[in-house]
Amino acid sequence: GDSVTQMEGPVTLSEEAFLTINCTYTATGYPSLFWYVQYPGEGLQLLLKATKADDKGSNKGFEATYRKETTSFHLEKGSVQVSDSAVYFCALFTSGTYKYIFGTGTRLKVLA
Amino acid sequence: DAGVIQSPRHEVTEMGQEVTLRCKPISGHDYLFWYRQTMMRGLELLIYFNNNVPIDDSGMPEDRFSAKMPNASFSTLKIQPSEPRDSAVYFCASSPRRDTGELFFGEGSRLTVL
Repeated sequence: GDSVTQMEGPVTLSEEAFLTINCTYTATGYPSLFWYVQYPGEGLQLLLKATKADDKGSNKGFEATYRKETTSFHLEKGSVQVSDSAVYFCALFTSGTYKYIFGTGTRLKVLA
Repeated sequence: DAGVIQSPRHEVTEMGQEVTLRCKPISGHDYLFWYRQTMMRGLELLIYFNNNVPIDDSGMPEDRFSAKMPNASFSTLKIQPSEPRDSAVYFCASSPRRDTGELFFGEGSRLTVL
């Protein structure tokens, strides 16, 4: 079945460091891919998305490219801030079956 | 615009008691989802509705759990009787259309069953 695999956390970085959070997926159809972010005590909110191969989603300095050949959607940011500390979830969505699958989440902690 | 509104934000109850969680989706959104989040199991889909009709409830853990959506602006998730293993954060989310896939989450209801 369809699945999403994220790198285990926590990820601890110093402010202004480069961030990569790996996400790979398996899917039988042509899913859309998402990154959601959850700040402490809050619900998940959409960070960025890509709906087809080679699309790049970007928001707030974060980027991810939909790579069909490697079935990946890695999240990157060039310079993290303390305010980026949160849990990041990779997810896939297939509209045909209306199936939404979340990864297990990766906790990011950024130190000043 | 008002987002997804959930109540209560926190609930502490004793084992065996009935718990009712409430959700008001974003106006105009046709899809409503209930998720449960725990450290051990992550984010689990319990049930989702389309136009107030339950579509997939395969994630509902057992008969103690029930969900209703009597109209487009209100949904409830009920647990009766509650057990300590039901302790979790319960999220409601809504989505405007089938093809976008974007979910809008509420802030969650943290349930503690003693």
